[in-house]
Amino acid sequence: DTEVTQTPKHLVMGMTNKKSLKCEQHMGHRAMYWYKQKAKKPPELMFVYSYEKLSINESVPSRFSPECPNSSLLNLHLHALQPEDSALYLCASSQGQGVDQPQHFGDGTRLSIL
Amino acid sequence: QKEVEQDPGPLSVPEGAIVSLNCTYSNSAFQYFMWYRQYSRKGPELLMYTYSSGNKEDGRFTAQVDKSSKYISLFIRDSQPSDSATYLCAMSVDYQLIWGAGTKLIIKP
Repeated sequence: DTEVTQTPKHLVMGMTNKKSLKCEQHMGHRAMYWYKQKAKKPPELMFVYSYEKLSINESVPSRFSPECPNSSLLNLHLHALQPEDSALYLCASSQGQGVDQPQHFGDGTRLSIL
Repeated sequence: QKEVEQDPGPLSVPEGAIVSLNCTYSNSAFQYFMWYRQYSRKGPELLMYTYSSGNKEDGRFTAQVDKSSKYISLFIRDSQPSDSATYLCAMSVDYQLIWGAGTKLIIKP
């Protein structure tokens, strides 16, 4: 079992729906991340929350919006997604955002857009 | 040219064999080197994490870094069918992880 918990494990939604993905960690980490992973590809960084500051990968479309209610929770709000957004969405956390801080991943939410 | 090169495989070996997985990189600024294991339908699991050139051992796993050649390796001794997974190398620079493509490993019983 991983120490980063993601819910739901699977999500199927239409292009007009609004849904949210949730992530929780209890390791006292101060940095949390959202990644998108397509089949047979490595993870691609979408967002970083570190010490309450948000960093965005500028290639991520605005139909994805992150929210960090507190230091142990991270949400990803989804709206008007496209079929190409179908992927595994991974949450990760690390002690800090330093280059010497390894990231620990959850098992992801498998998202399918109809 | 990608910053991190990793052969996607698949690499198929018999049970009990020594497995060698490799990545090469071009950016001398990479500071920390990681190996992750990812099973189908699961998230990446951190296996090994190292900074300096040389070897680091943890059970059946040995991570090797050669900064002068810009080459890292992961060795798995006494490989088991349960080691069948995709192995991703990752390197950190400027608060980012740069990933290899991942190598799919198959251990045949």
